[in-house]
Amino acid sequence: DAEITQSPRHKITETGRQVTLACHQTWNHNNMFWYRQDLGHGLRLIHYSYGVQDTNKGEVSDGYSVSRSNTEDLPLTLESAASSQTSVYFCASSEAQDYEQYFGPGTRLTVT
Amino acid sequence: AQKITQTQPGMFVQEKEAVTLDCTYDTSDQSYGLFWYKQPSSGEMIFLIYQGSYDEQNATEGRYSLNFQKARKSANLVISASQLGDSAMYFCAMREGGNTNAGKSTFGDGTTLTVKP
Repeated sequence: DAEITQSPRHKITETGRQVTLACHQTWNHNNMFWYRQDLGHGLRLIHYSYGVQDTNKGEVSDGYSVSRSNTEDLPLTLESAASSQTSVYFCASSEAQDYEQYFGPGTRLTVT
Repeated sequence: AQKITQTQPGMFVQEKEAVTLDCTYDTSDQSYGLFWYKQPSSGEMIFLIYQGSYDEQNATEGRYSLNFQKARKSANLVISASQLGDSAMYFCAMREGGNTNAGKSTFGDGTTLTVKP
């Protein structure tokens, strides 16, 4: 069965370190997204991609970067982790604009 | 300005009763899509229902229906015959029009629904 996975599921890191969160989908979707969810709130878009070599900034992109070298993967990199980036990170993919997004299980990141 | 507003931080409903979760949105686009997702305490995000701005009929998926009132810019989720497993956080989301926004959604802050036995 097709799926979307994220790794690691939990990560503790120190302020200033570079961190990369992996997202892998086997749906063969062109559209992929990264969101962060802070306690008690909805999801805010960090970066998104509409296909290989395409990346775009979302509403909270400062301090984050992504790259899309193939259809299946969209890794999210925190260049220099800050305590304000402690959050749960969700990756999602969708087939087309009017289709629902399929979400990964989330990565809980703690920056100490 | 907030584009998706969910005014009910928390709601309670008795098992087997119906409940309506409110969602209002703000957009100047003629073409847009509205989604509802469920997030149980386990954390995963589950798609429930979709309504396109040009759809004339309200969307329905099993016990879920979307009360779409375009002029009022509201897209309320109705859950009929509530079950204990419906206890979760519910998010309303909107995709605004245009190919550059393909799939990109804005989410509300969510409503926590608790179903009482």
